[in-house]
Amino acid sequence: QVQLVESGGGVVQPGRSLRLSCAASGFTFSSSAMHWVRQAPGKGLEWMTVISNDGNYENYADSVKDRFTISRDNSENTLYLQVNSLRAEDTAIYYCARGTNNWWYFDLWGRGTLVTVSS
Amino acid sequence: QSALTQPPSASGSPGQSVTISCTGTSSDVGGYNYVSWYQQHPGKAPKLMIYEVNKRPSGVPDRFSGSKSANTASLTVSGLQAEDEADYYCGSYAGSSNLVFGGGTKLTVL
Repeated sequence: QVQLVESGGGVVQPGRSLRLSCAASGFTFSSSAMHWVRQAPGKGLEWMTVISNDGNYENYADSVKDRFTISRDNSENTLYLQVNSLRAEDTAIYYCARGTNNWWYFDLWGRGTLVTVSS
Repeated sequence: QSALTQPPSASGSPGQSVTISCTGTSSDVGGYNYVSWYQQHPGKAPKLMIYEVNKRPSGVPDRFSGSKSANTASLTVSGLQAEDEADYYCGSYAGSSNLVFGGGTKLTVL
């Protein structure tokens, strides 16, 4: 079954860190660029970061640059997002999504993992 | 990286057509043919409906169509059905390996 399954969310205090995971199955993970997109409660989608299929290139939205790090393990078919120095405004559902051949549209999404930043 | 501009809401009766606009700049929508549209039902993940301005993925009904003129892209839903009621988001490549989404449009089927 072709799917993405996120995990690692939860309630975390401001200033702390989390590592989110996205397990891929049913397709050749190592052939796809991957993205993280988040959605604050009741708000719209926000693109955050992309990583190339081989992990050698990554880029970030200005809003998360220097605090978030994307990575992947193609041997484990898993995508990661390290989120540091969390702030209340980082509270959101975090989705991983598969980029297509040209990277810039997403044909497969996970169900998301909720991160709540609260003291 | 400013968000693309979408109307907050749109509506139509069953069987009618509705068009949702997505306005950006020459640095995103107007500069590339990498505009996509996503449908999101409450509590669900987004679903790709249109890519590269006007292409439909397999399985998406041909009632959904996309177009672009200058810095504005549009999604048209023809023959509205109750299940089309959802939030719709546009997305565009914005250069330098960045992507920007619109703020979303809530489509109501009256």
